Amino acid sequence: AQSVTQLGSHVSVSEGALVLLRCNYSSSVPPYLFWYVQYPNQGLQLLLKYTSAATLVKGINGFEAEFKKSETSFHLTKPSAHMSDAAEYFCAVSDRTDKLIFGTGTRLQVFP
Amino acid sequence: EPEVTQTPSHQVTQMGQEVILRCVPISNHLYFYWYRQILGQKVEFLVSFYNNEISEKSEIFDDQFSVERPDGSNFTLKIRSTKLEDSAMYFCASRKTGLDYGYTFGSGTRLTVV
Repeated sequence: AQSVTQLGSHVSVSEGALVLLRCNYSSSVPPYLFWYVQYPNQGLQLLLKYTSAATLVKGINGFEAEFKKSETSFHLTKPSAHMSDAAEYFCAVSDRTDKLIFGTGTRLQVFP
Repeated sequence: EPEVTQTPSHQVTQMGQEVILRCVPISNHLYFYWYRQILGQKVEFLVSFYNNEISEKSEIFDDQFSVERPDGSNFTLKIRSTKLEDSAMYFCASRKTGLDYGYTFGSGTRLTVV
């Protein structure tokens, strides 16, 4: 069965600092992987996705993620945090069936 | 940019009452979904719908839940007899063909059962 583990339910960084949100997955088949962001009182917005093309995926708002099969990881990074990045971030995996399995989410706080 | 629209944004209902949550998926999308997020917990899959029938459902999606696409644009989730534990944010999502497209989610309906 597929699953997603997000290490760290809360991450705090200073504005301008590197953002690193961790995601590890398990899947019996080559997975599709996604990062979604949820701003307060809003829905889920797709940040980026990995669908077996390039292993380094660039998304919106300066975020990127690298698929590492040997580590079963898909960590999300951004070189320089902005106050507007404060939100909840969800990693999700699809084993190419018709549903997404989400991680428990990581709340990112950005301090001035 | 096309959006998935959900109404209402917030609904309060009494335990035992029926509720219908409404969604308008993106017009050229063919696959439709409901997910829910209990406060403080992860987003969970409820059901997927394609070609006017359920294609997959989770163990959460028991007999009190049903989905329908009554016309060419709306996609509804009905909860027949609500329980306190049904209180959650319910997200509708849709996608085109091809699992690599990813889903487009609506902004959710917060259901509060009192």
